[in-house]
Amino acid sequence: DQQVKQNSPSLSVQEGRISILNCDYTNSMFDYFLWYKKYPAEGPTFLISISSIKDKNEDGRFTVFLNKSAKHLSLHIVPSQPGDSAVYFCAASGGSGGGADGLTFGKGTHLIIQP
Amino acid sequence: NAGVTQTPKFRILKIGQSMTLQCTQDMNHNYMYWYRQDPGMGLKLIYYSVGAGITDKGEVPNGYNVSRSTTEDFPLRLELAAPSQTSVYFCASRTAGGSNYGYTFGSGTRLTVV
Repeated sequence: DQQVKQNSPSLSVQEGRISILNCDYTNSMFDYFLWYKKYPAEGPTFLISISSIKDKNEDGRFTVFLNKSAKHLSLHIVPSQPGDSAVYFCAASGGSGGGADGLTFGKGTHLIIQP
Repeated sequence: NAGVTQTPKFRILKIGQSMTLQCTQDMNHNYMYWYRQDPGMGLKLIYYSVGAGITDKGEVPNGYNVSRSTTEDFPLRLELAAPSQTSVYFCASRTAGGSNYGYTFGSGTRLTVV
């Protein structure tokens, strides 16, 4: 029973265009969402996060949107660059007090930026 | 600033052998975690700890044990290795509380059980 779903295993985008990665969740207790980027043979690297009290968070080229009613979030990368080619994981945390009991991850989306 | 350090990076075990995956962090984080990642899958939580002397099971704890005697170290023990434990293991840490946080991950240990 997947609580965090990334339904696109891969996504190919041209350099300079916008990349949009999607994530759906089923657990209404999740209140904090994160995106991680992962290169081969490395650990995941924190990219951006959003609390459930917000609907948008921006950091440079990266923006995360949260639609709580639809239980959906998306990561926008504008403009896409070759170094953005990686696997992107959506993750969620639930409960109050910072969710000490870890993150629930999606299966990841492999983003490929084409020149 | 080393962050989260995992050793070894690679290991091949025979069925029934035991080993300890080491994890240490130098950020004075209270919370530490062990995840495993199987091919084509997301990371799944094995065990976590909210401080020295406190550990708890995650989603997939069977076949593993942990201890947390210091804030810095959180080793993961495999007692009787099985082929199903072939995976990439990631250790992570984060600060307690706060309204905005991200977990810091180590670079992983790739374990093969044959």
